[in-house]
Amino acid sequence: DAGVIQSPRHEVTEMGQEVTLRCKPISGHNSLFWYRQTMMRGLELLIYFNNNVPIDDSGMPEDRFSAKMPNASFSTLKIQPSEPRDSAVYFCASSTNRGAFFGQGTRLTVV
Amino acid sequence: RKEVEQDPGPFNVPEGATVAFNCTYSNSASQSFFWYRQDCRKEPKLLMSVYSSGNEDGRFTAQLNRASQYISLLIRDSKLSDSATYLCVENTGTASKLTFGTGTRLQVTL
Repeated sequence: DAGVIQSPRHEVTEMGQEVTLRCKPISGHNSLFWYRQTMMRGLELLIYFNNNVPIDDSGMPEDRFSAKMPNASFSTLKIQPSEPRDSAVYFCASSTNRGAFFGQGTRLTVV
Repeated sequence: RKEVEQDPGPFNVPEGATVAFNCTYSNSASQSFFWYRQDCRKEPKLLMSVYSSGNEDGRFTAQLNRASQYISLLIRDSKLSDSATYLCVENTGTASKLTFGTGTRLQVTL
C-alpha cells in the first residue's frame, strides 16, 4: 500500500487566493483526519470523518475553511480566502483502531 | 485544561541512558492510547500502542495508568537516532477521534 497520499507537497499562494489540499487515505481505513501543525500551536485537529461523514469540525478555525469527503478514497480541505496566518503544515491521516497513519503533509505558505 | 498534556522538554540525555516521558489525559472515557514519533519536518509516525497491561517493543516500553490518567514511554539504551519529538495520543472512542499532545522533544547526545 502506498500509504496516505497528499498533494501538493508545497503550496505558496498570495493572500486572498483559494487553496485546495487533497488527500487519498489508505484503502480500508474508515476514519480520516485533517490536522494543522505550527510551531506555536502544535498539532491541531481541524476535522475528522468516519465512513465519509464529518463527525467533528469544531477545530475548523472559521468559515474560510471547509472540508469534504465525497467518497472513501478522497478528501479535500479548502481555504477561501487564504490569509498569512493560515501558513502551516497540513496533515491528512487515516486510521483503523490500530492507530492513524499520516501523509507527508502539505506545507502551505500564504504571502 | 488541555485534553492531553506533555512536558515539552527538551530532554537532553547521553547515548545509552534511559529516559521516560509521561503524558496526562483528562477524559476518563478515553479508550486507547498511542505514542507517535515525529522527526523534524516530517510527518508523525506510529511508534506503539499503549495497553493497560503494558506494551514492550525492543528498547521501548509503554504503560497506561487509568487510575491516575497518565501514560508513559520508557526508552532504554538511548541511541542518537532516537532524537525526535514524541507525541502521545488518546482515542476517545467517539467515532475514533484522535487527540494529540504537543509533544516532548528528546535530544540524545554523544
